[in-house]
Amino acid sequence: DAGVIQSPRHEVTEMGQEVTLRCKPISGHNSLFWYRQTMMRGLELLIYFNNNVPIDDSGMPEDRFSAKMPNASFSTLKIQPSEPRDSAVYFCASSLMLPRQAASGANVLTFGAGSRLTVL
Amino acid sequence: GQNIDQPTEMTATEGAIVQINCTYQTSGFNGLFWYQQHAGEAPTFLSYNVLDGLEEKGRFSSFLSRSKGYSYLLLKELQMKDSASYLCAVRGTGFQKLVFGTGTRLLVSP
Repeated sequence: DAGVIQSPRHEVTEMGQEVTLRCKPISGHNSLFWYRQTMMRGLELLIYFNNNVPIDDSGMPEDRFSAKMPNASFSTLKIQPSEPRDSAVYFCASSLMLPRQAASGANVLTFGAGSRLTVL
Repeated sequence: GQNIDQPTEMTATEGAIVQINCTYQTSGFNGLFWYQQHAGEAPTFLSYNVLDGLEEKGRFSSFLSRSKGYSYLLLKELQMKDSASYLCAVRGTGFQKLVFGTGTRLLVSP
């Protein structure tokens, strides 16, 4: 398996522009997560999906951020308009959550290589 | 809410043993994870604890005390390639929601 695939790897844009980050999870995984990582705040969970349905978006910072998962093999995270404080590395991760694991079990997240965003 | 604390930075010598501590306060507990992250790369899974005690996996071991809200990652026979950040993460009441600490940057010197 090619693992979790993210694009672009690097993006530099100007304040006010729209940014779209893309993620292809591992085939067969039913959960997908978007994280943001900065030096100051570490890895923050933005949103996660289970079976393509958004379960918890409480980490999405503002209405400028939106995420979609139209099918099991693709997700996008969009920032519109972008601001300099959005500069960070954005990671997508996927996992397979089996019903009997709901209460325990190592639901291991596999991360993509990340998208480094710089907003000028 | 959830709060996870780790030291920011640690240094150690090649061949030595180092212990990285993690304390947490969470609403509910459904497991604690350790991830390794090399600079510029993605986090990769190291270990998982859900019951009290020690889990050993080669040179790496992880310990959990649920009553104390405490875990540590033990790295033995340190190698230069172990220089990385080590992230403690806790799954609380949301069974899939994994919350990470800010990580401990470990520098291994010759």
